[in-house]
Order: sequence, then structure tokens, then C-alpha cells
Amino acid sequence: GENVEQHPSTLSVQEGDSAVIKCTYSDSASNYFPWYKQELGKGPQLIIDIRSNVGEKKDQRIAVTLNKTAKHFSLHITETQPEDSAVYFCAAPGDWDYKLSFGAGTTVTVRA
Amino acid sequence: DAGVIQSPRHEVTEMGQEVTLRCKPISGHNSLFWYRQTMMRGLELLIYFNNNVPIDDSGMPEDRFSAKMPNASFSTLKIQPSEPRDSAVYFCASSWGQTDTQYFGPGTRLTVL
Repeated sequence: GENVEQHPSTLSVQEGDSAVIKCTYSDSASNYFPWYKQELGKGPQLIIDIRSNVGEKKDQRIAVTLNKTAKHFSLHITETQPEDSAVYFCAAPGDWDYKLSFGAGTTVTVRA
Repeated sequence: DAGVIQSPRHEVTEMGQEVTLRCKPISGHNSLFWYRQTMMRGLELLIYFNNNVPIDDSGMPEDRFSAKMPNASFSTLKIQPSEPRDSAVYFCASSWGQTDTQYFGPGTRLTVL
């Protein structure tokens, strides 16, 4: 099955700075890479995703880049704000497209 | 527009008791997923339904776990008998199709004493 590794496990940034989270995956056939944000006491919420036919996707302050050759993808958050503090998960499909394997999560803390 | 609805939000029970978790997917979605989240193992897929039919239950940990989807708007995950190691947050998610975005519910925090 798919193996997704996520780094770092924790990230503390000053408000206004950028945050970058990186994930690697093992299954070359994977073609869909979502990122989820989970706030305390809530379920994971999709914030952005990318499919394998593009290398980069941007939505306001967040962007995701994909390198299929190296089998890694990254989440970039610019101009961080306190409300960006949460746990972020990357994911990739494994044996079947519906079967998402999630990274271990990155706890992001934005310091005011 | 209502998202995925789960109940109860919190459940505390004693070892050996039966536990039933409930989920109402987003209207029109034909794929439903049950996940379990723990500190040790992260987010794990337990079972996947498509058009109310269980497609993949390879993640169900033991025979003590069972899931049903009697219709397109309701699913249950049952643990009988429950054990302390079942303590976790259980999420239900739904999507339009099996490869589309999965929308998660708020989860049920289960504590088995």
C-alpha cells in the first residue's frame, strides 16, 4: 500500500512569515494529493488539492507544489495568521483511488 | 448546506458494552467512509461504501467491528463488545464519487473504560 511521510511534525512561525510542509509518497501511480486542515475538536477539512497533471496550484495564501519524479509534494502558507494554527495532513491514494493514506500530521503554531 | 452529521459527538462506555456510532452523509454523495484517528496510528480507513454497498472493509480491525448502510442517508458503525483499545475519534466522510473530495464529519470521541 501507499506510504506517506510528512515533515516536520511541528512547526512554529511568526505571524506574517511563511510555513512549508513537505510530504513524500511511495506509489508512482498516485495521481491525487489533497491537504487537510484539522482544528481542535473538529474533523479534517480539505484546504487544497492537486492532481498529477499540474505541478502547482494556488488559492489565495496557500499553494501546493507537486514533483512526480521525486514523488514529493509540499504545502506553502504565506502571510500566516493566528487562525492558520492547526494540524495539517497530506494524503495520497494507494492501491485504489478511494483509499487515501494520510501523513502523520504537522502541528502548525502561528505566534502573534 | 449541512455537512456530514455524526452522532453522538462524545461517547463514554464501559468495556464489554455495545457502542453504535451514526453518520448522515451529505445529500447526493454516493461514497461513504469510516475512519479512526488515534495518536499512535493516525487516520486509518476502516470501511468504504459505494451506493450503500460495502466495497472495502479491509481496515476493520476485528470481528467486533461491523458497519451498515441501509440507505443513502444513514450509516452505522458498531463495536460489540467494546474494549479500552477502541478508544479513539471515529470520523465519517462522504464524497460524490470514490475519487472525489472526501468531506469529513465532526467525529465521535469514544472512550471505553
